[in-house]
Amino acid sequence: QKEVEQNSGPLSVPEGAIASLNCTYSDRVSQSFFWYRQYSGKSPELIMSIYSNGDKEDGRFTAQLNKASQYVSLLIRDSQPSDSATYLCAVTQPGGYNKLIFGAGTRLAVHP
Amino acid sequence: EADIYQTPRYLVIGTGKKITLECSQTMGHDKMYWYQQDPGMELHLIHYSYGVNSTEKGDLSSESTVSRIRTEHFPLTLESARPSHTSQYLCASSVSVSTDTQYFGPGTRLTVL
Repeated sequence: QKEVEQNSGPLSVPEGAIASLNCTYSDRVSQSFFWYRQYSGKSPELIMSIYSNGDKEDGRFTAQLNKASQYVSLLIRDSQPSDSATYLCAVTQPGGYNKLIFGAGTRLAVHP
Repeated sequence: EADIYQTPRYLVIGTGKKITLECSQTMGHDKMYWYQQDPGMELHLIHYSYGVNSTEKGDLSSESTVSRIRTEHFPLTLESARPSHTSQYLCASSVSVSTDTQYFGPGTRLTVL
């Protein structure tokens, strides 16, 4: 079992719809969770960080964390074609030092 | 948001050459990282540093080496490049506070012929 798992997709949604991206992680002691967006051939760009159970909203993005279920998700409201990218879930490794474990990413395609 | 720079952005080089990939950040972050990513694949941590004169190997074994003589600079060196080293190399940095957030540079795409 991978430490951070994501559905590779592609997840295809129509423009204006809500895109829901999911991520599960294996280590219960992980404390910090991140969503990065990566366009093809580019470097990852931070979208959201979340540290406590519940929802965190930032514009069209909402991150949801459930530590009991070891589950973190990202909702993108009013999806735009420019949101088409690969979304990477990242989780801090236990032991500190700010080391992250990345999932393989979910490819999102928003079609007009 | 961090300002983090990588040079060169693209490098095509022959087998056996020595190469150094440069990474610099201007935010005074103490922690820096090197990741390797093949197209469509996961990021793998190959080196990290907690501060000056501190370097550690990451989760993915790599033939590259790193140094951290100055806080802002974290170069990666391959003594003898091989085609198997062809990949994208991403540098990141973070600061030692609770947020743990890592910020990435633009990456270096390396092709070894």
